[in-house]
Amino acid sequence: GDSVTQMEGPVTLSEEAFLTINCTYTATGYPSLFWYVQYPGEGLQLLLKATKADDKGSNKGFEATYRKETTSFHLEKGSVQVSDSAVYFCALKDRGSTLGRLYFGRGTQLTVWP
Amino acid sequence: DGGITQSPKYLFRKEGQNVTLSCEQNLNHDAMYWYRQDPGQGLRLIYYSQIVNDFQKGDIAEGYSVSREKKESFPLTVTSAQKNPTAFYLCASSMASEFLFEQYFGPGTRLTVT
Repeated sequence: GDSVTQMEGPVTLSEEAFLTINCTYTATGYPSLFWYVQYPGEGLQLLLKATKADDKGSNKGFEATYRKETTSFHLEKGSVQVSDSAVYFCALKDRGSTLGRLYFGRGTQLTVWP
Repeated sequence: DGGITQSPKYLFRKEGQNVTLSCEQNLNHDAMYWYRQDPGQGLRLIYYSQIVNDFQKGDIAEGYSVSREKKESFPLTVTSAQKNPTAFYLCASSMASEFLFEQYFGPGTRLTVT
């Protein structure tokens, strides 16, 4: 079945450090891939997405490239800020399915110190 | 402003009582979803609905029930049969379109049962 595996946290960085959060997936079809962010006490917000191989999603300085050959969608940011502290979720939707459900990873807690 | 509202933000109940969580959206989305979030476990799908008067069980439907009588509303009832109901509950909605697909999330309801 479909599933997402992302690196376990927590991840602690100093401001302006480089961030990578790894995400790999297993899918029976040809999935679309997403990164969501959750700030404390809130719901999830879509950060970026990619719908086909080699697509790069980007938003607010974050980037992720859909790599079909390695079944990966790693999240990166060149210089993190304190305001980036949140929980990040990788997710997939199987495009071969008519059902709209998402499969989520367990989330990675990021804390950025000034 | 278009969006998803969940109420209340915090809910307290005694063990053995049923409780209903509200979810309303004004995005004109066809599909709606309920997730449960526990620390370190990511999001798990409880129920989802793609059209009015139709819904499907997700991965952890036992002890929960839903209804979809109106397009904009998808209430979740946590019954006394749910063994560990204390959690953060998130409602989401999406369009049915494959290429415009994005799940929008509400702010969540934190349920505590004692």
